[in-house]
Amino acid sequence: GAGVSQSPRYKVAKRGQDVALRCDPISGHVSLFWYQQALGQGPEFLTYFQNEAQLDKSGLPSDRFFAERPEGSVSTLKIQRTQQEDSAVYLCASTLGGGQGIFRSYNEQFFGPGTRLTVL
Amino acid sequence: GDSVTQMEGPVTLSEEAFLTINCTYTATGYPSLFWYVQYPGEGLQLLLKATKADDKGSNKGFEATYRKETTSFHLEKGSVQVSDSAVYFCALRSGGSNYKLTFGKGTLLTVNP
Repeated sequence: GAGVSQSPRYKVAKRGQDVALRCDPISGHVSLFWYQQALGQGPEFLTYFQNEAQLDKSGLPSDRFFAERPEGSVSTLKIQRTQQEDSAVYLCASTLGGGQGIFRSYNEQFFGPGTRLTVL
Repeated sequence: GDSVTQMEGPVTLSEEAFLTINCTYTATGYPSLFWYVQYPGEGLQLLLKATKADDKGSNKGFEATYRKETTSFHLEKGSVQVSDSAVYFCALRSGGSNYKLTFGKGTLLTVNP
């Protein structure tokens, strides 16, 4: 079946513009994660949804970043008034289960190809 | 907080050479440990995992053993192929935040024929 898809794959924005990045998780997957990967770095956690509920947004770097998943499926990461330091690859991942529970079997996170955002 | 430190790259090897990519971690509780691989133009894929001390994860000829005493999870492969060229990420999921993944910076591996 189809994996996690993200769009657009590449986005160039002028400083100060707003952008919206879309993630389509694997059908039926309950949990969805957003990560930010700066050049030469590993991915860093931004936020986590279980169905439509945003359970953790502790990784969002500022109040310019906003994520939603209104129907518990597709998610959008919005960045307002983009800055140059927002340039990165934004990764989305989904898991079948709730993503929590150390004693449950691991809910593998399936990653999308990412959206590369360049802010000029 | 949780952190993962992995070997700086890039690593360049000839086909059939032995591969080691070092990974050490700092975490609260008893983390689960992972290696992810990112092939050019593709998303991150889980390569292998280990959920408790002394577990060995293995897949596609790659192996890594969870060493609690040295807080390490080194990736090894006895004979690399050109198709193994990719970026490898070590990651952990700790008991304190048992859904977030914490990644290392990644190691670029290039295998030449």
